[in-house]
Amino acid sequence: EIVMTQSPATLSVSPGERATLSCRASQSVSSNLAWYQQKPGQAPRLLIYGASTRATGIPARFSGSGSGTEFTLTISSLQSEDFAVYYCQQYNNWLGTFGQGTKVEIK
Amino acid sequence: QVQLQESGPGLVKPSQTLSLTCTVSGGSISSGSYYWSWIRQPAGKGLEWIGRIYTSGSTNYNPSLKSRVTISVDTSKNQFSLKLSSVTAADTAVYYCARTMIGLFDYWGQGTLVTVSS
Repeated sequence: EIVMTQSPATLSVSPGERATLSCRASQSVSSNLAWYQQKPGQAPRLLIYGASTRATGIPARFSGSGSGTEFTLTISSLQSEDFAVYYCQQYNNWLGTFGQGTKVEIK
Repeated sequence: QVQLQESGPGLVKPSQTLSLTCTVSGGSISSGSYYWSWIRQPAGKGLEWIGRIYTSGSTNYNPSLKSRVTISVDTSKNQFSLKLSSVTAADTAVYYCARTMIGLFDYWGQGTLVTVSS
C-alpha cells in the first residue's frame, strides 16, 4: 500500500495570502495524484488531477505541481470559501490511498 | 450533470450487515469507462476507499476490508450497492459513493451516516 503523508496538519492563513500544502508518497506515483477540498458537512470535491490539471469549474487560484513522490497544492490568494480541509490521493495503482488531510484555517 | 445519492439504514447493530445503495442520475451507470466506488470517513478523520465495481461486475476491494465487503451493481436500476458484514463500532462513519475515473473520484454523493450501535 502506498502511504500518503500531508503537511502541515493545520495551516493558518489570512484571507488574501498564499497557502502552500504538501503531499508526499511513500513510493513514486508518477503524476497520478489528485487533490480534493472538503468543507464541513459536505462531500469532498475534486480540485486537481494529474498532479496539475484543474478539474472543471475550479478557479485559477488553485494550482498543483510535482511528480514522483513530492507534490504541492498552492492557493494563490485565499478567499473566504477556501477555508476547508484538503486531501491528496494517489491513483497510481487500483488501491487508491488518501493523505490524512491539511486543514486550512483563518489566521 | 451526474448525481449520486446514497440510501440505507442509519443504524446497524454490531455483528450485523451494513447495506447501502447508491442511485445514479443524470446519466447511465453503464456509459463510459467508469468504475463506481464506495468511500467512508469516520467522524473527524480521513477518507478510506472501500472498493469499486465496473458495470461488467468486476470488483476491487481494499485488502483491509476485503473479507467483509461485497459491492454489486444493478444496471437496470442505475444503482450499485455495498454490503459490509460483521460490523463493529469501528465501522461507524459517513459512507460516500463516487464515480471513479482512472482511479480518481470526480462525482460524489452527499454521504450518509451509518452508526453501529446496539
